[in-house]
Amino acid sequence: GAGVSQTPSNKVTEKGKYVELRCDPISGHTALYWYRQSLGQGPEFLIYFQGTGAADDSGLPNDRFFAVRPEGSVSTLKIQRTERGDSAVYLCASSLGQINTGELFFGEGSRLTVL
Amino acid sequence: AQSVTQLGSHVSVSEGALVLLRCNYSSSVPPYLFWYVQYPNQGLQLLLKYTTGATLVKGINGFEAEFKKSETSFHLTKPSAHMSDAAEYFCAVRGTSSASKIIFGSGTRLSIRP
Repeated sequence: GAGVSQTPSNKVTEKGKYVELRCDPISGHTALYWYRQSLGQGPEFLIYFQGTGAADDSGLPNDRFFAVRPEGSVSTLKIQRTERGDSAVYLCASSLGQINTGELFFGEGSRLTVL
Repeated sequence: AQSVTQLGSHVSVSEGALVLLRCNYSSSVPPYLFWYVQYPNQGLQLLLKYTTGATLVKGINGFEAEFKKSETSFHLTKPSAHMSDAAEYFCAVRGTSSASKIIFGSGTRLSIRP
């Protein structure tokens, strides 16, 4: 399809394990966002890419969280030494970037459960 | 810096009644404002947006919102609720710089009574 694709849709892991979440944005979208959504809450900003570079990573909660977008398209959110508090739905969104007023197109999210 | 506050985590209205979901924003620069909707088991989708120009903006499914700078508000309304409007609604704000991130409110769950 032509929308934002996120994999896996569900991930169950044990505390202390390493996790990677993948986002494939809409073709041609230069801006890519990662958000985290806990139950009953709004999306919480994590990081924003413009092209290959992180334009704003002020939302990453600590150094266990890292994200890359090496070729300016697909992005991977990496979480080291997972904790139970990391359990949430991780949302990816893309937009046209600088020429756009900010409309985001969201994927359906990756639900992470840390046991 | 930008932020939004959504008043009321849960709103319940009867089918056919007026829907009013409240959003107040804080922004140090002229903002862009958005309403997103999240239906059960679906991703967020844009309902409507305010950028510049007309302060009353119309969106999909009969929703509209009015930007009121003096009140720093961007409330969402629909004259007559339909059962299919039951969903979670999020107000969001960003600055006008291309480097600005989009900040979401905590959401309002809309329930429709038959």
